[in-house]
Amino acid sequence: GAGVSQSPRYKVAKRGQDVALRCDPISGHVSLFWYQQALGQGPEFLTYFQNEAQLDKSGLPSDRFFAERPEGSVSTLKIQRTQQEDSAVYLCASSGSFQGNTDTQYFGPGTRLTVL
Amino acid sequence: GESVGLHLPTLSVQEGDNSIINCAYSNSASDYFIWYKQESGKGPQFIIDIRSNMDKRQGQRVTVLLNKTVKHLSLQIAATQPGDSAVYFCAENMGPGGGNKLTFGTGTQLKVEL
Repeated sequence: GAGVSQSPRYKVAKRGQDVALRCDPISGHVSLFWYQQALGQGPEFLTYFQNEAQLDKSGLPSDRFFAERPEGSVSTLKIQRTQQEDSAVYLCASSGSFQGNTDTQYFGPGTRLTVL
Repeated sequence: GESVGLHLPTLSVQEGDNSIINCAYSNSASDYFIWYKQESGKGPQFIIDIRSNMDKRQGQRVTVLLNKTVKHLSLQIAATQPGDSAVYFCAENMGPGGGNKLTFGTGTQLKVEL
């Protein structure tokens, strides 16, 4: 079956540009997570949705980062006025967990963002 | 804040040997631990998980051991193959109380020599 997909796979932006990264979770998965992975590091949590509700955005590094999931399926991570330190791989994960359960998170291939 | 502690060594093993990758975690409230494999240019791939009420779990060629007393997690890969070459991360999940988010370490590079 189809896994988590992300687009674009690679994005090059000039400093100051806005970017939008898309995540298509596994069909029917309730929970969706965004992580940021710097080179040589483990992924770091950014934000979490349960259906369309953003329940935790404590990992977003600044107010330039914004995520949405308006219909409870596809999610978009938007970064405004990109800066060089935003260069990283952005990973999306989904799980079937409902509140009270802890299910495996399945990751997409990531979007590699390079800010020049 | 507390996080999974995983220094980044490079582990080199001969094909056919067993591999052991270690991880120390610091959050005693975590109740779910996962090992992921990440190949270059790909997202983390689930390998095996273990709940805090267990101390051992086996999969196909992989075993995860959990020692809560010393907050230590290990991944054992039997008969290591070239396709096992990747970066391995352990991750902890505090469960619904922690928002189900994963906290990762920095990874261990496994290199399988022919």
